[in-house]
Amino acid sequence: DQQVKQNSPSLSVQEGRISILNCDYTNSMFDYFLWYKKYPAEGPTFLISISSIKDKNEDGRFTVFLNKSAKHLSLHIVPSQPGDSAVYFCAVIYSGAGSYQLTFGKGTKLSVIP
Amino acid sequence: GAGVSQSPSNKVTEKGKDVELRCDPISGHTALYWYRQSLGQGLEFLIYFQGNSAPDKSGLPSDRFSAERTGGSVSTLTIQRTQQEDSAVYLCASSGFGTDTQYFGPGTRLTVL
Repeated sequence: DQQVKQNSPSLSVQEGRISILNCDYTNSMFDYFLWYKKYPAEGPTFLISISSIKDKNEDGRFTVFLNKSAKHLSLHIVPSQPGDSAVYFCAVIYSGAGSYQLTFGKGTKLSVIP
Repeated sequence: GAGVSQSPSNKVTEKGKDVELRCDPISGHTALYWYRQSLGQGLEFLIYFQGNSAPDKSGLPSDRFSAERTGGSVSTLTIQRTQQEDSAVYLCASSGFGTDTQYFGPGTRLTVL
């Protein structure tokens, strides 16, 4: 049973428009959320994160929104650029007593069309 | 400075053989993680080391998988009696502590024939 779901395997957006990547999770005990970007033949690179005590975090063109009641996380990229084309993974962290778990979604492939 | 390095970059092996994958974390990073990405799957957490504490092995898929970290730095992931379903890209990451940013290596692509 997937704890982290990215229901859209792919997304195409015109350059300059907003890209919205979505992620749903099941466990309300997760306390930290991250987005990673991955280019082909490279390892994932950290993009942006948010802790469970916040509902928004902004870094340049990237904004992450957290809706805890809906157990929903989203990443907004504005404006989208062709170089943003990559696979985006959301990840959640549970840091309960004696354990530390990082769980990734299956990714969404973003294609930004020039 | 130098990032996380992994070796080998590619490994092809025959079913039943043992393999060792190496990870050199960023100098000074106390936390080290191993992940696996199989075709069509998300990144799967395997094991986590924090300093000299006992590792969190909760993600290891079977007892054929083991990992060690010598001197709190270099880590080796060992897969014994490899199976075809072990074929994947194995990624290593390190971070300063806990939920700090994780920096990933380029990965080792393992193919089990």
